[in-house]
Amino acid sequence: DTGVSQDPRHKITKRGQNVTFRCDPISEHNRLYWYRQTLGQGPEFLTYFQNEAQLEKSRLLSDRFSAERPKGSFSTLEIQRTEQGDSAMYLCASSLAKLQGMLQETQYFGPGTRLLVL
Amino acid sequence: KNEVEQSPQNLTAQEGEFITINCSYSVGISALHWLQQHPGGGIVSLFMLSSGKKKHGRLIATINIQEKHSSLHITASHPRDSAVYICAVRSETGNQFYFGTGTSLTVIP
Repeated sequence: DTGVSQDPRHKITKRGQNVTFRCDPISEHNRLYWYRQTLGQGPEFLTYFQNEAQLEKSRLLSDRFSAERPKGSFSTLEIQRTEQGDSAMYLCASSLAKLQGMLQETQYFGPGTRLLVL
Repeated sequence: KNEVEQSPQNLTAQEGEFITINCSYSVGISALHWLQQHPGGGIVSLFMLSSGKKKHGRLIATINIQEKHSSLHITASHPRDSAVYICAVRSETGNQFYFGTGTSLTVIP
């Protein structure tokens, strides 16, 4: 399977614990996006990377959230001191931007990591 | 106030009907995306538009940049089209993404 993969698919944690999610994009995709989706709502943008550079962070991404893409391939999203309000589906997507400033490329989504904070 | 508004929120249709889902947005955009999300969460990108019209099989997407409006049409709807359809826009700067809350479509055999 050469699609976007995410690990784990499900995570249950207690409030206050730290969690880390991983996203493996489609090989050679240079852009990687993180989104959060709560039940009954559309996704919300969190952050995105072009290669290893984090180009934008949403104001939704509090100081407890950090994302990295150290080698420009896989990415991790860490949530520190989780709160019940962090319970959501965390979606990753990747895309290939053939030109540096290209803004019109198709994103391919992973299956998501469903987080439940008790 | 949401930057992207979709209508209707819920839609039930008989198999074979022509379906239209609407999306209005309030920001300047570089691109608009139509996404399909099935139960269980998987999202598939259907269309990416910056102008005009695109067609893929029974699906047609149109966009009117001046009116800041897009429509997704499904011809000859089928029960397998049952899903949530989400409209999303990318800002002109490319650094922000805004999503509608989705239209839940159920096609009855």
